[in-house]
Amino acid sequence: KNQVEQSPQSLIILEGKNCTLQCNYTVSPFSNLRWYKQDTGRGPVSLTIMTFSENTKSNGRYTATLDADTKQSSLHITASQLSDSASYICVVGDRGSTLGRLYFGRGTQLTVWP
Amino acid sequence: EADIYQTPRYLVIGTGKKITLECSQTMGHDKMYWYQQDPGMELHLIHYSYGVNSTEKGDLSSESTVSRIRTEHFPLTLESARPSHTSQYLCASNPSERPTQYFGPGTRLTVL
Repeated sequence: KNQVEQSPQSLIILEGKNCTLQCNYTVSPFSNLRWYKQDTGRGPVSLTIMTFSENTKSNGRYTATLDADTKQSSLHITASQLSDSASYICVVGDRGSTLGRLYFGRGTQLTVWP
Repeated sequence: EADIYQTPRYLVIGTGKKITLECSQTMGHDKMYWYQQDPGMELHLIHYSYGVNSTEKGDLSSESTVSRIRTEHFPLTLESARPSHTSQYLCASNPSERPTQYFGPGTRLTVL
């Protein structure tokens, strides 16, 4: 069964600290992995997208890694800011269908305290 | 910044009412999607469209219907709303040549 599991479910850190969010997936055949940031009451916004051949991609203070062999990804946030408080969603796309369907994790709820 | 809009942002209605949730994008994207998301849960695809006059049901069974008469417009309709329809509905789009989906702000629907 294709699944995307994220950990931790929630995380509280102090402003200025770094953190790492985890994503494990069982989606096969794999096409791509995306990280989205979703503010409360808003739609998700794309942070990074990686294909099979990419093992790291950065977007400002956000760095995503991908290990396609172990089917794991992480999102590292550097020097956190209050505005980083949001849900971070891992999404994995497959290439086994015309739709190229997406499998969504439940997200990690990050709270940054001053 | 993605140009994809949803209205209304919030809607509270009584059981049995007919409602239409609007979604529009000005980017000329061929592909559009509707997702349903409950608090703390993952997004579930309920409808998608690959172009004008093309609509398909997604993974999650839904009593809603959609139409795609124009490229930029992808409304979702519930003929008779029920409390079980209470949820957040997110619209998304992407061009055929790029997989990154752009999401609208969502409509939070509450059916009393």
